[in-house]
Amino acid sequence: DIQMTQSPSSLSASVGDRVTITCRASQSISSYLNWYQQKPGKAPKLLIYAASSLQSGVPSRFSGSGSGTDFTLTISSLQPEDFATYYCQQSYSTIFTFGPGTKVDIK
Amino acid sequence: QITLKESGPTLVKPTQTLTLTCTFSGFSLSTSGVGVGWIRQPPGKALEWLALIYWDDDKRYSPSLKSRLTITKDTSKNQVVLTMTNMDPVDTATYYCAHSIWFGELLGDAFDIWGQGTMVTVSS
Repeated sequence: DIQMTQSPSSLSASVGDRVTITCRASQSISSYLNWYQQKPGKAPKLLIYAASSLQSGVPSRFSGSGSGTDFTLTISSLQPEDFATYYCQQSYSTIFTFGPGTKVDIK
Repeated sequence: QITLKESGPTLVKPTQTLTLTCTFSGFSLSTSGVGVGWIRQPPGKALEWLALIYWDDDKRYSPSLKSRLTITKDTSKNQVVLTMTNMDPVDTATYYCAHSIWFGELLGDAFDIWGQGTMVTVSS
């Protein structure tokens, strides 16, 4: 099975900061990597699919990159509504593994 | 507009079987490329993918839970049902169903629309 890891597990940042979250797969998954945002008590929301494609309606400050085993989610200028937990998820094998999450909170 | 809603018991006893229903609107599960998946999240923990059923009745399961899970669809009712046998307190979680879309050969699948989730507690 493909295992997903994320780093850091949590981070503190200020409004306006550039934030980068890393996701790593235990084997190559090409670009079959999605990113979700989840706020407390809410269902996850798809942000990025296929490593770098922005889901419709998602602000352009969110971007994704990477291929193979290493991926990055970047928030170019953190906004108050971006404080949440972010999960990566692979769809390479159709055993859709999620990463453990990265919590972004206010510094 | 696509919507999904989970329904089922909020409390089950250990060893019992859990049956959850996802009722959806705004799409057809007979449309090529479409699927419905189940994902759960124990309190304070990460998301865990459970199962997915595609428009062509192809079914995928989490390897660690495969022996306990069954996913079925009723296209005429716009419903997907997940059953999980031999429930244990560690299965206490919020269970989500989600619409899966196939973006294409080099893009893969993703869960683009989610239900609100339903909390299931396993306790005697």
